[in-house]
Amino acid sequence: EAQVTQNPRYLITVTGKKLTVTCSQNMNHEYMSWYRQDPGLGLRQIYYSMNVEVTDKGDVPEGYKVSRKEKRNFPLILESPSPNQTSLYFCASSLVGGRANEQFFGPGTRLTVL
Amino acid sequence: RKEVEQDPGPFNVPEGATVAFNCTYSNSASQSFFWYRQDCRKEPKLLMSVYSSGNEDGRFTAQLNRASQYISLLIRDSKLSDSATYLCVVTSSGGSYIPTFGRGTSLIVHP
Repeated sequence: EAQVTQNPRYLITVTGKKLTVTCSQNMNHEYMSWYRQDPGLGLRQIYYSMNVEVTDKGDVPEGYKVSRKEKRNFPLILESPSPNQTSLYFCASSLVGGRANEQFFGPGTRLTVL
Repeated sequence: RKEVEQDPGPFNVPEGATVAFNCTYSNSASQSFFWYRQDCRKEPKLLMSVYSSGNEDGRFTAQLNRASQYISLLIRDSKLSDSATYLCVVTSSGGSYIPTFGRGTSLIVHP
C-alpha cells in the first residue's frame, strides 16, 4: 500500500530534550516536506527536500533540523524543543514536476513540549 | 498580502444546500491548483485538481479564473459527511515547485 508513515504519532516531552520524528514514504517520491499546523494559522512549511541530500528552509525553520540521506526517509529533528513547538506535525511527499503534484500526507504527529 | 487566501468560515449550511468557496492567489505565475479536504485532526487528502477548463467530480465542481486569480469549489447537495476543512493549494511554475497552502475554509453541514 502506497503510504507515508510518521512515528511517533503522539509525543509528550520536556523542554530541551532532543527528539526525532521519523517520516518514511514507499512511493519513490523525490519531494518531501514537513509542516506544522496550529489553530488559526493553517499549515506552515518547516523544511522541504527536492531529492536526496537536497534540503531547504520553509517558512518556519527555526528550531528544527532535517536530513535526507535516503530517498524514502526525511526525519525531523528538534535539538532543544521548547513549548512553542507544541503543534501537530505532518510529513508529506510527492513527485516533482508535471500537473498532478498530489501531495501525500502522513497521519500526523501530535507533539506537546512541557 | 498572503500568497493564498481563503475565507476561514465556518460556513454553516443545511443538508442538501449548495455551497461555494473561493480562494485567491497572488502569484500570477502559479501553474497548478488543488483542493484538499482535511477532517478534524487528520491529514489533508486531495479532493480534486483544478484545471483551466474546470472539472467536475460528482457533486463537486472546481473552477479556475486566471484573470482574477482565484479558484472556486462548488459543492452541490451537501451531505453531513462533507463537514470538513477545505484547503486551497497553489503551486508556482519556474522549477521551484513549492506548494503553498491556504489556511482553509471550514464547512459544517447540519441536519
